[in-house]
Amino acid sequence: QLQLQESGPGLVKPSETLSLTCTVSGGSISSSGYYWGWIRQPPGKGLEWIGSDSYTETTFYNPSLKSRVTITLDTSKNQFSLKLSSVTAADTAVYYCARYRNGWHDFDYWGQGILVTVSS
Amino acid sequence: DVVMTQSPLSLPVTLGQPASISCRSSQGLVYSDGNAYLSWLQQRPGQSPRRLIYKVSIRDSGVPDRFSGSGSGTDFTLKISRVEAEDVGIYYCMQGTHWPPWTFGQGTKVEI
Repeated sequence: QLQLQESGPGLVKPSETLSLTCTVSGGSISSSGYYWGWIRQPPGKGLEWIGSDSYTETTFYNPSLKSRVTITLDTSKNQFSLKLSSVTAADTAVYYCARYRNGWHDFDYWGQGILVTVSS
Repeated sequence: DVVMTQSPLSLPVTLGQPASISCRSSQGLVYSDGNAYLSWLQQRPGQSPRRLIYKVSIRDSGVPDRFSGSGSGTDFTLKISRVEAEDVGIYYCMQGTHWPPWTFGQGTKVEI
């Protein structure tokens, strides 16, 4: 059974860079046919796709965040990471990592999520 | 970007009674392969989202058959034939046809 687990600081200061890692177990992030992505949910609000990366395909970012986002894969650790620069209070959210299946065009496995608060 | 609009945003339900959630997309969701890629997610209180249905009507493994998805073009529906207490939560539709970006509906809160 595939499992994803987010980790990283729960508190980030304004203007700094948010850095999160997603550790994948039960499957390899280098497998073809999948994207590995980040989705966030501000408190009391809906879901926003941030970006997705793949071992074999192009990396995609949400245009609204593209200038501040970097997603990378580390196949040696079977992890992928998110960096979001110049954060503000508007970036406070629960951040989820998730797997996207190319063939079915959906996110089938999700991590439990990690709350990141942007505050001084 | 494709805008996904759900209705209602809040849905009071009665145990044992049916419930229905609508999801409309700003563009048709038929992909170049002829399929529509619309999925439904369930988020129970305090939990992460869980996929319930994909490709409009295919139930995920372990999802009770009281859940069903239907629709085509720009109009899609999630139905619960008989609501149970464990169905309380927020339901999201998501389109996987026109990307990037992948986009979600605003969510529909189902409460007893």
